[in-house]
Amino acid sequence: RKEVEQDPGPFNVPEGATVAFNCTYSNSASQSFFWYRQDCRKEPKLLMSVYSSGNEDGRFTAQLNRASQYISLLIRDSKLSDSATYLCVVNGSPDSGGYQKVTFGIGTKLQVIP
Amino acid sequence: NAGVTQTPKFQVLKTGQSMTLQCAQDMNHEYMSWYRQDPGMGLRLIHYSVGAGITDQGEVPNGYNVSRSTTEDFPLRLLSAAPSQTSVYFCASSEDRTNQPQHFGDGTRLSIL
Repeated sequence: RKEVEQDPGPFNVPEGATVAFNCTYSNSASQSFFWYRQDCRKEPKLLMSVYSSGNEDGRFTAQLNRASQYISLLIRDSKLSDSATYLCVVNGSPDSGGYQKVTFGIGTKLQVIP
Repeated sequence: NAGVTQTPKFQVLKTGQSMTLQCAQDMNHEYMSWYRQDPGMGLRLIHYSVGAGITDQGEVPNGYNVSRSTTEDFPLRLLSAAPSQTSVYFCASSEDRTNQPQHFGDGTRLSIL
């Protein structure tokens, strides 16, 4: 089983739609969780952290379910500019020096259609 | 405000050749990492460094070497290129041991023939 699993998509949605992605992780000791965005042929960039109580950043809402070991990203009122690949990212337990390795999912591709 | 700079952006090699991918950051970050990204595989950690003079292996280190003689530079060396090393390579840096957020370079697209 992969450490971090995502549906690769693509998710094709019309402008203005609401879309949600899920991501599951296998290590129950995982410390922290993030969503990164990667545009075509570009580098990944941090979109938002995911907090246990859930958090919003404008049209984006992230949630964490530790019991079921998944995180989600909800995008409301989709824009053409939201078209990208969304990477689920999980931090592992700190090593003896406190360093946390990062595991990336394969990403979910979103295409917003006019 | 350069951030993380990778060179070259594109490279084609023949099997058996060696080369070095350069990575430099100007943010005084202690933590640096090299990843490769392949279709359907996600980003996989090759090597990482927690400070000058300290490096360690990641998930897929075979065929690659790294060194960290300064805080700024973290070059990745391919010892004897193989077609399986055809990939997009990203260098990243972070400010602290939580490794977040990661600041990525633009990537190097490498083809091995």
